[in-house]
Amino acid sequence: DAKTTQPNSMESNEEEPVHLPCNHSTISGTDYIHWYRQLPSQGPEYVIHGLTSNVNNRMASLAIAEDRKSSTLILHRATLRDAAVYYCILRARPLNAGGTSYGKLTFGQGTILTVHP
Amino acid sequence: DSGVTQTPKHLITATGQRVTLRCSPRSGDLSVYWYQQSLDQGLQFLIQYYNGEERAKGNILERFSAQQFPDLHSELNLSSLELGDSALYFCASSVDGVGYNEQFFGPGTRLTVL
Repeated sequence: DAKTTQPNSMESNEEEPVHLPCNHSTISGTDYIHWYRQLPSQGPEYVIHGLTSNVNNRMASLAIAEDRKSSTLILHRATLRDAAVYYCILRARPLNAGGTSYGKLTFGQGTILTVHP
Repeated sequence: DSGVTQTPKHLITATGQRVTLRCSPRSGDLSVYWYQQSLDQGLQFLIQYYNGEERAKGNILERFSAQQFPDLHSELNLSSLELGDSALYFCASSVDGVGYNEQFFGPGTRLTVL
């Protein structure tokens, strides 16, 4: 699995935007970029994913660099509820998964986001 | 609420014992994944089942086994437990078995081995 690199921790103030970076310089052309987050004492939850173009949903936006070697998860207005560990994960496109991939998620250390009131 | 249920929520047992963790996937989801989260190893994929059949294996110990039943619920069996098996065990489900769709995680089972 291609590797991702994220800062260990970041801090933000409530109602301010948060930009969470992720580097994935060894990404292959068919890897999707997924973001999951884990709130305290809960299981991980899906946030967003993309391949090449920037993506928006009700939770966040995902900005993908043109060379796809990095991406940024954007929380437009952080709330206290957004305090969590954020994981950037590369996931092989299913048709190319083959072998033993089949959609498993490979979690790194993630970024611990602290939101201050 | 993700729609994935896991029982029990907490489990305390002794070394050498055997336990069974249960997972019910979201309605309509055919794929079940098991993950282990420990302080030193982080979140690690253990095993995946799709529609009753084993689909992929990760870092699962030989002492651990799993199965998925016809009603699609899954059980993870952990035997000859060691102190190092203490961890949070998460189950996740998804509609497909090849990674098109996101995974929905349950609340986890916290296993403590004394």
